[in-house]
Amino acid sequence: GAVVSQHPSWVICKSGTSVKIECRSLDFQATTMFWYRQFPKQSLMLMATSNEGSKATYEQGVEKDKFLINHASLTLSTLTVTSAHPEDSSFYICSARAWALAGVVLDEQYFGPGTRLTVT
Amino acid sequence: QKEVEQDPGPLSVPEGAIVSLNCTYSNSAFQYFMWYRQYSRKGPELLMYTYSSGNKEDGRFTAQVDKSSKYISLFIRDSQPSDSATYLCAMSVIQGAQKLVFGQGTRLTINP
Repeated sequence: GAVVSQHPSWVICKSGTSVKIECRSLDFQATTMFWYRQFPKQSLMLMATSNEGSKATYEQGVEKDKFLINHASLTLSTLTVTSAHPEDSSFYICSARAWALAGVVLDEQYFGPGTRLTVT
Repeated sequence: QKEVEQDPGPLSVPEGAIVSLNCTYSNSAFQYFMWYRQYSRKGPELLMYTYSSGNKEDGRFTAQVDKSSKYISLFIRDSQPSDSATYLCAMSVIQGAQKLVFGQGTRLTINP
């Protein structure tokens, strides 16, 4: 249980174009999803918290107009990198907050496999 | 000063050795502590979590929290080559899995 998928796993795009990354919780409902960014050999940095049916909460320094987040359902959140530039190249990871699985109450974040974005 | 400090390594040990991974933190409000394992180009996988000071054991893994010293550790016994990965500590102020603050991660290699 507690599987989170991301699509695509790897994407290359040209500078100035937009890219959409999907994050899905496959076997549980997630009212909250998180988006992280990870540069090589560095830790995960939280970009934003996405709550189903409401606007995302962005961390300080993250441009909300550049990184559009939509959490339209309990199992899907999307991150759109608009007008991408080479400095946006990074590993983007989502996680989903699980309150309960198979009747067991818990409160944990489960991470997706990540999406590698390369902007040329 | 970073909120969470973790030695990035790399750390290389022989198979079967006991591994000790550590993190220190500065924010005394952190209440929720986790260890994640991340293989190359993959998302982190939750290994251990704890809410309180003391030890928690799960198989070959033991998580230790010392809130008075703001210090947490992960011990791996009988280390295996498959344990080779980057290990990240993570912490949260808010109860539950919210707004995690991660350490830099320690890259660990277990040599056969």
